[in-house]
Amino acid sequence: GAGVSQTPSNKVTEKGKYVELRCDPISGHTALYWYRQSLGQGPEFLIYFQGTGAADDSGLPNDRFFAVRPEGSVSTLKIQRTERGDSAVYLCASSEQGAGYNEQFFGPGTRLTVL
Amino acid sequence: GQQLNQSPQSMFIQEGEDVSMNCTSSSIFNTWLWYKQEPGEGPVLLIALYKAGELTSNGRLTAQFGITRKDSFLNISASIPSDVGIYFCAGRELNTGGFKTIFGAGTRLFVKA
Repeated sequence: GAGVSQTPSNKVTEKGKYVELRCDPISGHTALYWYRQSLGQGPEFLIYFQGTGAADDSGLPNDRFFAVRPEGSVSTLKIQRTERGDSAVYLCASSEQGAGYNEQFFGPGTRLTVL
Repeated sequence: GQQLNQSPQSMFIQEGEDVSMNCTSSSIFNTWLWYKQEPGEGPVLLIALYKAGELTSNGRLTAQFGITRKDSFLNISASIPSDVGIYFCAGRELNTGGFKTIFGAGTRLFVKA
């Protein structure tokens, strides 16, 4: 079956602009996660959804970052007033449930470049 | 916040050699995970460990969950060129319901044929 897909694969924007990154999880997966991966680093947790609600958004770096999952499937990560430091690969993952033993399946990521 | 120290940062080895990498944490984890990431792709889970002392194999890969719950290692035996990639350790904390995953900075493996 289809894995996690993310669009766009690459996004180049200018400082101060608004961007939206989309994640389509594996069908039937109730849990969805966003991570940010900077060059040479491991993924850094941003936010976790269980269904439609954000169960933990403690990883969002500031209030310019926001994510939604209105129907419990597709999620959008929104970044306002982008800064050069926001440049990174944004990874999405999904799992059958949120807790414990359920493997997270990652998408290929969206590479965001802020000029 | 929580930190994982992963070492070595990179390894250059000859095909056929064994590889060992490890991870230590400042926090106690209830799950240790090892992932591999290739260029342009997301991480793929290799091995998951759920109990202190657990030793688990997946083909040529073997990983262990340290007794203290603060460390783990991954061994790759008889390396082959397709083992090239970045290997990440990751842990899930005891008190967060298990969903928040903390990643190390990765070990970059280069295999010379």
